[in-house]
Amino acid sequence: GAGVSQSPRYKVAKRGQDVALRCDPISGHVSLFWYQQALGQGPEFLTYFQNEAQLDKSGLPSDRFFAERPEGSVSTLKIQRTQQEDSAVYLCASSSSSGGGAYEQYFGPGTRLTVT
Amino acid sequence: SQQGEEDPQALSIQEGENATMNCSYKTSINNLQWYRQNSGRGLVHLILIRSNEREKHSGRLRVTLDTSKKSSSLLITASRAADTASYFCATAENTGGFKTIFGAGTRLFVKA
Repeated sequence: GAGVSQSPRYKVAKRGQDVALRCDPISGHVSLFWYQQALGQGPEFLTYFQNEAQLDKSGLPSDRFFAERPEGSVSTLKIQRTQQEDSAVYLCASSSSSGGGAYEQYFGPGTRLTVT
Repeated sequence: SQQGEEDPQALSIQEGENATMNCSYKTSINNLQWYRQNSGRGLVHLILIRSNEREKHSGRLRVTLDTSKKSSSLLITASRAADTASYFCATAENTGGFKTIFGAGTRLFVKA
């Protein structure tokens, strides 16, 4: 595809449910990032993959958050036992650079998660 | 917690006027980036300025970087209604980490 795609675009979950958010990066991009964006705020870094290796997961807020990129392309962000404070837009970005966050990233449209 | 701080938080101007947004950051960096986000589209990369550059231009955008003050500014000249969006600066520490730090953003509204 031409850009980064994410699915679903909208997700409503009842508190305590598990959710899985998918990201399809631009083909061939080495780097993949996940961010959480609260209303009116900038994106907050969650985790970074270089190919299939998760090199930085320092931003994951708790052990309920888990991300994977098993074949170095598609990535899934999983949130277990969702809580209301998890409500946010989850953004995925990819980059052709292997230099982490220091270079241009291409963002997907995001998944808006609402936990009720 | 976010590293970058933008000011002003919000800015409202008339079409044709210039808009200036400022960003401050806390650590040593290799480069600094500016992104735009509007309601209809996701985050879009605007411009990247390296730590050894002081000024960079791209179309109607002018970015400055002062590493001694750990600050940057984004100037949009001859603004258009389509420039209405939130603007974020983003940095990554040059200590070998991979994290990108975004500020809280400046919300720009350009009135036609």
